[in-house]
Amino acid sequence: GNSVTQMEGPVTLSEEAFLTINCTYTATGYPSLFWYVQYPGEGLQLLLKATKADDKGSNKGFEATYRKETTSFHLEKGSVQVSDSAVYFCALSEVDSSYKLIFGSGTRLLVRP
Amino acid sequence: DGGITQSPKYLFRKEGQNVTLSCEQNLNHDAMYWYRQDPGQGLRLIYYSQIVNDFQKGDIAEGYSVSREKKESFPLTVTSAQKNPTAFYLCASSWTHRNSNQPQHFGDGTRLSIL
Repeated sequence: GNSVTQMEGPVTLSEEAFLTINCTYTATGYPSLFWYVQYPGEGLQLLLKATKADDKGSNKGFEATYRKETTSFHLEKGSVQVSDSAVYFCALSEVDSSYKLIFGSGTRLLVRP
Repeated sequence: DGGITQSPKYLFRKEGQNVTLSCEQNLNHDAMYWYRQDPGQGLRLIYYSQIVNDFQKGDIAEGYSVSREKKESFPLTVTSAQKNPTAFYLCASSWTHRNSNQPQHFGDGTRLSIL
């Protein structure tokens, strides 16, 4: 079945450092890909998405490119802030009529001042 | 503002009790979902519903039940058959158009604990 694999955390960075969180997927067909962010004690918020190969999703300085050849959707940010500390989830949509999402296990990011 | 409201934020259950978690959305979304999140883990799908009066089991439906009598409401009951109910429960909703690029919108969750 379809699956999503994320790098294990926590990822600890200093403020203004470059961020990469790896995400790879296994899927039949051409799923849409998403990054969600979860702040402590809250639900998930959509960060960005990409719907087809070579699409780049971007939001709030975060970017991710849909790479079909490497089945990857890595999240990047050029300069992280303390406020970016959260858990980040990569997800793909099932390519059927269920509209279900398959989530990775999440990667915790801690940004130190 | 449109959104998804989950209540209560914290819920405590005694052994042998059923409890119901509320989820209401005013986004006019067709589909609604319930997920369970355990510490340090991703989200696992419990139940989902694409239309009123219809719902399907997700990956971990045992010990849970749902209803979808209204488009905006999708309550989840955690029954006494669920042996390990302590978790963070998240409700979500989305459109159901032909393509699959509709993101899901999430509530702020309900944390359920066993007394």
